[in-house]
This record gives sequence, structure tokens and C-alpha cells, in this order.
Amino acid sequence: AQKITQTQPGMFVQEKEAVTLDCTYDTSDPSYGLFWYKQPSSGEMIFLIYQGSYDQQNATEGRYSLNFQKARKSANLVISASQLGDSAMYFCAMRELNAGGTSYGKLTFGQGTILTVHP
Amino acid sequence: DAGVTQSPTHLIKTRGQHVTLRCSPISGHKSVSWYQQVLGQGPQFIFQYYEKEERGRGNFPDRFSARQFPNYSSELNVNALLLGDSALYLCASSLGFSGLETQYFGPGTRLLVL
Repeated sequence: AQKITQTQPGMFVQEKEAVTLDCTYDTSDPSYGLFWYKQPSSGEMIFLIYQGSYDQQNATEGRYSLNFQKARKSANLVISASQLGDSAMYFCAMRELNAGGTSYGKLTFGQGTILTVHP
Repeated sequence: DAGVTQSPTHLIKTRGQHVTLRCSPISGHKSVSWYQQVLGQGPQFIFQYYEKEERGRGNFPDRFSARQFPNYSSELNVNALLLGDSALYLCASSLGFSGLETQYFGPGTRLLVL
């Protein structure tokens, strides 16, 4: 079963506008963390933002915020005031605290969304 | 402070050869994880090491092995290379492994198998 689903293969946004990248997840573990990473064409995976399953408030980091809807199992990334440098692939990932066995420590990634920012 | 470093940055091998990829974690981080990212897909978990012991393993064949050294650096070894092993290999480090610590990634090693 797909644990992380990113349904938008590609998104386009105008510079200075806000954009939302969708992510839904599937887990039966009550303790988990959700992460968003940015991957430019250079390949490095850059950590953006983290949301824990027990966090009461949505995470924010500068222009990045996470719209966490636990009951819907969604963790959408919102980028405000888009910049040309935001053009990249974006991945949603999850780690389950009680994964157990050989899956301990495993980050499970979605397929990614390519974001293109137009001037 | 230096981030996660990986070497080499690029590598070309032929089928049947073996390869060793290296990773140095962020200073103070004791856990290293390895991921394989095939073109067009998200990274897939290969291994996690903490305090020189394997703590997690993904669904990869025994041709893949790794180890962690006393200074917390790590090596990923792949034997009997196949064309399908061509990918970006990412190393990530975290402080520990018992919680939901953030994993910070290095720039990756691009492996091409001909």
C-alpha cells in the first residue's frame, strides 16, 4: 500500500504568489513525523519543515508552512511569496516511530511534485 | 558547520563490478542512513546505521551492504553491479535513531552502470 501520495506531478505558480503542494499519508502508528524536502536539479535533498503527529499547531518555517489535517491524513506544504529559486522537486516523507523490525529509521517518500515558478 | 559530505560525486562502472560509496555525517550526528533514488522516483530506504550497528534495512538484495566506522562515517558497498543499480545514492545523517529526528541529506553520488 502506498504510504505517501503526492497527486500533483507538476505545479506552476507565478512569482510572489502562494502555492500549495498536496500530500496524503497512510499509517496506523499513532506516533509519526511528516517531513518536506526540496530537491533542486543538483540532487541534494534539502530539509524544509517537520510536523509531528502530536503537534497541536501547524508547523511554520519562514515562507514554508504545513497545513496538517490529521483526521484527513493530509500534510500539505504551503509556500508563500514564491521565488524563482523555489523551482525544484518537492518530496513529502514520513517516519513511523513504531515501525519496528528492519523498517526502523526508515523515511518513506512520495513520488514528488515538480514546482515551476514563472517570472 | 559542514553538512553531510559524500564521495565520489559521480561514478561510472560496468556490469559485474563492485562499488564503494562514502559518507561523512554532520559533526555530532551518530546515525547514518542510505537511500537509492532512481530517476523520476522518490528515494528508497536501503540501510540505517547507529553506533556502528545496522538498525534498519530496506528491501534490497544482499549485494548491498554497508558499515559505519567509529568516527560515524559510513560506506555503502554494492557488489555484482546491474544496470538497474544506476541511480543517485543519498546519505543522510541524524543525531540519533530512537526518535523522529530529522535526517539531513548529502549531495549524493550519481552512479551509472554500463
